[in-house]
Amino acid sequence: QSALTQPASVSGSPGQSITISCTGTSSDVGGYNYVSWYQQHPGKAPKLMIYDVSNRPSGVSNRFSGSKSGNTASLTISGLQAEDEADYYCSSYTTSSTSVVFGGGTKLTVL
Amino acid sequence: QVQLQESGPGLVKPSETLSLTCTVSGDSISSYYWSWIRQPPGKGLEWIGYIYYSGSTNYNPSLKSRVTISVDTSKNQFSLKLSSVTAADTAVYYCARDRHGGGYMDVWGKGTTVSVSS
Repeated sequence: QSALTQPASVSGSPGQSITISCTGTSSDVGGYNYVSWYQQHPGKAPKLMIYDVSNRPSGVSNRFSGSKSGNTASLTISGLQAEDEADYYCSSYTTSSTSVVFGGGTKLTVL
Repeated sequence: QVQLQESGPGLVKPSETLSLTCTVSGDSISSYYWSWIRQPPGKGLEWIGYIYYSGSTNYNPSLKSRVTISVDTSKNQFSLKLSSVTAADTAVYYCARDRHGGGYMDVWGKGTTVSVSS
């Protein structure tokens, strides 16, 4: 069961926008609208930021948005803030083994 | 407000069975799916498996031969057992609520560290 592919790291300056990609296959990202994104600060549990490709849970800033094109999903963070510095993981439902698959994670650095 | 709390031994010997329990408060376990996820030191997240309150389960194929997830609706708890552990099973273990079985996990426990060592 292969993990979804994310860039190891991205960076941006405060106020800028960044996008993190998450590439899978037609058996997961491309085949279903069940992509979610999680933010994880050091030593903390992951926090759901986006679900079902583009939906934000209550309480999550509208600076976070999600989208999908083909087998690649994306998380965009606009108006970067220092508090956004964290690791981000994508996840998808997959039929390759009837389960859940995570991306390898992306470390976001706010310069 | 739904809260999840993991509990169990922080140290397990090689070849033995790791056992953890997740206690759910603020919501009935008799709805949704309930997952276990782990994170080895310095590495990414790995989904272990989930259980529906009815007892149906789904496991990560890479762990399936060693994993058992069970639910106790009377105690509002679900549990993880991982047999024949090795040092590679050392990780932070999280329990989480999965909204539709393979969908998204919207509530997470704080995690518990389990080390495998003699």
